[in-house]
Formats: sequence, structure tokens, C-alpha cells
Amino acid sequence: AQSVTQLDSHVSVSEGTPVLLRCNYSSSYSPSLFWYVQHPNKGLQLLLKYTSAATLVKGINGFEAEFKKSETSFHLTKPSAHMSDAAEYFCVVTPRVGRRALTFGSGTRLQVQP
Amino acid sequence: EAQVTQNPRYLITVTGKKLTVTCSQNMNHEYMSWYRQDPGLGLRQIYYSMNVEVTDKGDVPEGYKVSRKEKRNFPLILESPSPNQTSLYFCASSLGRGIGQDTQYFGPGTRLTVL
Repeated sequence: AQSVTQLDSHVSVSEGTPVLLRCNYSSSYSPSLFWYVQHPNKGLQLLLKYTSAATLVKGINGFEAEFKKSETSFHLTKPSAHMSDAAEYFCVVTPRVGRRALTFGSGTRLQVQP
Repeated sequence: EAQVTQNPRYLITVTGKKLTVTCSQNMNHEYMSWYRQDPGLGLRQIYYSMNVEVTDKGDVPEGYKVSRKEKRNFPLILESPSPNQTSLYFCASSLGRGIGQDTQYFGPGTRLTVL
């Protein structure tokens, strides 16, 4: 079985301050982990993914995430928020073997205040 | 341009009237799937397909059917829609499920309202 928990449904930051979006997962198998972003009325876009190479993964638009197996976490960070980062973010887990479904977290809505 | 297309983008229908939402990808991807997105629940997988003629249930398959007769197309069928199927639907595809192949590419979404 697998599951994803995004610990905050809403996060609000000021422009120029750091962003932290938290994600914990559970999986019976070594997982692949992803972060996707969804801007209002848009589809989903891949930010970054972890597939067992480096534990610190860099993505687009200055985002990065660190895979911590001991904590079963895959938190998303960015050093300095921009207004254009305001969106909904989804953490996703999928086992790397077998015909199993992908599992999405419930999402974190990021607000960026001027 | 590499893309996943869905049609229609918006649909309002009535309970019990059969409908089909089409999904097509031009990237020669083997893996395709359907999701529904509901507020506070994120995306939940309805069905997925590993290849032509190979489909499997996801987390919420009740009330839906799919078929995969061709590699590029993966239609979602609602035989008798009900109001609880009002949702935003996304189709997605990926090369496969192995490492390096499992990045999902999403369509633009179909907003369905069942009255």
C-alpha cells in the first residue's frame, strides 16, 4: 500500500521569503516521488522528481526537494518566493515496479503576498 | 508539438445520459491514465493502462469504463452519469513505468457537470 500526506493545505508567504511545502509518504516498495504544480485553471506541470539518484533534487523555477528515507519525507523548498509561484502543489508517489496506481497528495495551496 | 489532448473541455449533462471524454497523446507513450480532481482530495486515479488492451482499476473506478484499442487513445466512458461524478477530469500519459519513464504529462482537463 502507499499513501501521501501533504501536511499543510494552505501556506502563505511574503514575496522574497523562503517556501517550504511538506510531504510525507509511505510505500511498500522503493518509490519514485514527484512534485507537480497547478496554476489556476491550468493543467499540471512537473516541477521535479526523485528516482533514487541524488537525494537532493533540483527542479524548474528554483524549486528543489530532498528525499529523506529515514523520515519518509520529500519536502519542497525554494529560497525566495515570487508572485508567480502562487499555485497549488501536489506531491505524488508511485512504486517503481508493478502495475500500481499513482497516488497524489491532497494538495497545498501556496499564496504569495506582496 | 508533444501533447495530451482532451475533448470536450467543458460538458454539462443530465443524470443517466451516456457520455465519452476522449484523450489522445502524440508521444507514443505506453502508459495512460485518468484522474478526477475534487476540492480537498487532490487527484485520484480512476483507471490506467499499461499498453494496448491492458487496463487496470485505480483508486476510484466505480461508474467509469475505459478502453485502449489504440496506443494513442484512451477514452473515458460514463455509461450512466450521476451528480457525484461532477468533477474536473485529467488524462495523463508517460513513456512507461520504469525509472526515467514515469513522468506524467497531463492534458488540459475536462470540467464535467452532471445535473
